[in-house]
Amino acid sequence: DGGITQSPKYLFRKEGQNVTLSCEQNLNHDAMYWYRQDPGQGLRLIYYSQIVNDFQKGDIAEGYSVSREKKESFPLTVTSAQKNPTAFYLCASSMTGATEAFFGQGTRLTVV
Amino acid sequence: AQTVTQSQPEMSVQEAETVTLSCTYDTSESDYYLFWYKQPPSRQMILVIRQEAYKQQNATENRFSVNFQKAAKSFSLKISDSQLGDAAMYFCAYHSSGSRLTFGEGTQLTVNP
Repeated sequence: DGGITQSPKYLFRKEGQNVTLSCEQNLNHDAMYWYRQDPGQGLRLIYYSQIVNDFQKGDIAEGYSVSREKKESFPLTVTSAQKNPTAFYLCASSMTGATEAFFGQGTRLTVV
Repeated sequence: AQTVTQSQPEMSVQEAETVTLSCTYDTSESDYYLFWYKQPPSRQMILVIRQEAYKQQNATENRFSVNFQKAAKSFSLKISDSQLGDAAMYFCAYHSSGSRLTFGEGTQLTVNP
């Protein structure tokens, strides 16, 4: 079945550590996105990519990094520079142009 | 930059009644898409309905319909015959070929039995 998969579902990180969230899609979508969601809040864009080997910063890119080496994959690294990383992270993908986005099931990151 | 505004942080409706969620947006483009997404407690984002800006006819999906007013840049969602399963956070979103996908802040809908 086609879809977008995020892993892991739950992730715990010690302060000062980097951690990478996985996002894979087999929908042949060109565009991929990472959003952060805090409790009771909306979605804030971290990074997005519209083509392989290219990506742009969103509204809250500080403390995060991404790569887009393959069309299917768009991993997000939460670095130690991110002061408050505990949140719910959503990955999405869409076709080129103004189409709807398909979302993964999210990763809940907790700093312990 | 495009912006999407949802002015109702919370709404409530009685089961079987009708509720309308508001959304306004700002853009200088003429060709774009608008969407309503639903996020239930599972936090999975589900597409509810979409509207192409070039279409004058309002989109409808079963109990969900929109009132798209292009000149006013308004895109409200009407839920008829509300059900307990409709309780969720609803997000309005804008997307055009020249801009990134942009979401509003969301409206938390409660359905009372």
